[in-house]
Amino acid sequence: KAGVTQTPRYLIKTRGQQVTLSCSPISGHRSVSWYQQTPGQGLQFLFEYFSETQRNKGNFPGRFSGRQFSNSRSEMNVSTLELGDSALYLCASSFRQAADTQYFGPGTRLTVL
Amino acid sequence: EDQVTQSPEALRLQEGESSSLNCSYTVSGLRGLFWYRQDPGKGPEFLFTLYSAGEEKEKERLKATLTKKESFLHITAPKPEDSATYLCAVVSGGYNKLIFGAGTRLAVHP
Repeated sequence: KAGVTQTPRYLIKTRGQQVTLSCSPISGHRSVSWYQQTPGQGLQFLFEYFSETQRNKGNFPGRFSGRQFSNSRSEMNVSTLELGDSALYLCASSFRQAADTQYFGPGTRLTVL
Repeated sequence: EDQVTQSPEALRLQEGESSSLNCSYTVSGLRGLFWYRQDPGKGPEFLFTLYSAGEEKEKERLKATLTKKESFLHITAPKPEDSATYLCAVVSGGYNKLIFGAGTRLAVHP
């Protein structure tokens, strides 16, 4: 069974730009969560989607948004990029809810210059 | 507020020297505790899920245990390839999200 895939793997953007990251969950998984990982803050929850609806949201500004499609694939968007948005963005999928085991993708490394 | 604390922050072992990593948690109603392994620049790799106090899971040289306040990841006779950051996370109450600890960086030297 194929794992969680994320594209692109690496991105370099400049301040003020916007970026869209994509995630394809494991086949049959309907819950997709996004996390930001930085050396200073560790892994922090961004949001979770289930059946195309945002079910839970972390403490991030409105510049961070996401969506989920009918095939469970998900995208997250960051607008008006700031230097502090440089991080590894991780997507995780689970069967139905977060208490089910979440499986992570390889991540997208975003660098903001 | 839900909180997960891992100790030690870093651990250096000689090959074959067994040890334990600790994950203590304060949550409002534990729904699950998860252990992951993460290599540099990669996504976390799932190791174990524990749901109730007294539960134990084993996989090769690793064994995870759970009490009402903490979890341990025991590493028996580690090898250099076990070097990685080990992350503990919990899901609590009605929240559909993982709350992670800061991790333990393990280095196993031959």
